[in-house]
Parts: sequence; structure tokens; C-alpha cells
Amino acid sequence: GESVGLHLPTLSVQEGDNSIINCAYSNSASDYFIWYKQESGKGPQFIIDIRSNMDKRQGQRVTVLLNKTVKHLSLQIAATQPGDSAVYFCAEGMLSVWGAEGNYQLIWGAGTKLIIKP
Amino acid sequence: KAGVTQTPRYLIKTRGQQVTLSCSPISGHRSVSWYQQTPGQGLQFLFEYFSETQRNKGNFPGRFSGRQFSNSRSEMNVSTLELGDSALYLCASSSGVVAGSTDTQYFGPGTRLTVL
Repeated sequence: GESVGLHLPTLSVQEGDNSIINCAYSNSASDYFIWYKQESGKGPQFIIDIRSNMDKRQGQRVTVLLNKTVKHLSLQIAATQPGDSAVYFCAEGMLSVWGAEGNYQLIWGAGTKLIIKP
Repeated sequence: KAGVTQTPRYLIKTRGQQVTLSCSPISGHRSVSWYQQTPGQGLQFLFEYFSETQRNKGNFPGRFSGRQFSNSRSEMNVSTLELGDSALYLCASSSGVVAGSTDTQYFGPGTRLTVL
């Protein structure tokens, strides 16, 4: 069946360094992927997404890379700051048709906790 | 624009009881999805409502149910609570109209349910 998983449950990074959070997926039919950040006591917050017709997308201090050959997704955070401490989730979206409109049902990974060392 | 709100934020119940959680989506959003989040786990999809109809459903027992009202507000109900139902319940809203394009979900802060 489909699954989305993360390679590392916890990642410790020195403040100012770059962070790379990895994610594997198994369904080659997935057509887009999303990264969310969840800070303690809050709901997940959208960071960035990428369509399957792209292999790279950049945001503010974040870059998502998609390697469809090996079904791998990564989130790169440049110049990591204390405020980046959170759990990061990747999610896999597969378009399913429901009635006259399509919608994505997301499948979520277990999450990676990013710890920033001062 | 106000974000997604969930009430109550915290709830303590005992086994066998039932509980109703409420979610108010962002104004204009027609889709509300519910998720269960437990320690060490990712988010597990419960169901999605769009225009008062359940459009998608995850793999949860029938004790978990939901509904959506004409103003897009949604409630989820858990009957005959079990200890394992203790979790953070998150709702997320989106416009719901995808038609081949992405549709970002915006999450509320969640309701922390503790079953004793």
C-alpha cells in the first residue's frame, strides 16, 4: 500500500547551518507533495509544496527537492534559526475523483523533529 | 482573515463517554478535514467534508463520525471512548475546489482529548 516515511525521527543542527530533512514515498502515482511545520502546541503550518512535474522549488530560506526516480523528497532550510525548531511533516497527495470535483487526500509521514543547537 | 478555530482546546473524558469537537473553517473555505495525531505518530486522516457531504474517509472505526453544516462549520463525534482515543484532533480547512490544482490546507490549533 501507499506509505510516506521519514528517514530520521530527530535531527540536530547547529544554528546557522543548513538543515536537510528527508522523506520517502512509495506511490509513483502521487502528483504533489507538501511540507508542513508543527511547533509545540500548534497545528501544522504549510511551508512549501511541489508538483510532480517539478524537481525543485524554492521559497524563503527553504527548498524542496523531488527525486521521482528514487521516490525521495527533501526539505532544505538555509541558515537554520532557533525559530525553525519544530516537527516537520511531509505529505503525499494523490488526486482522487469524487463526484464532479477532484480533491487531494493527503498521506502523512510520521514527522522529523528538528532541534537547533545554539 | 481569521484562521481555523477549534473548540474546546482541551477536553478530559472517561472511557465509554462520547465527545463532540467543533471546527470553524476559514471564511470562504468549503472543505474541512479531520485528523488524529498521537505522540510519535504522524497525522492520521479521519474524514473530509465538503458542502455538507463526506467526501473522503480514512480507516477509523464507525465510532468516529462527523458532519458539516451549511455554513461549513464541522463537528466530529467519537462515541464509546477508549483510552487509545487520547490524542490531538486537528481540523484543516481548504477551499475544496481543486480541479487539477493544489489546495492548501490550513490547520487549527487542535483539541487535546484525554480519555481516562
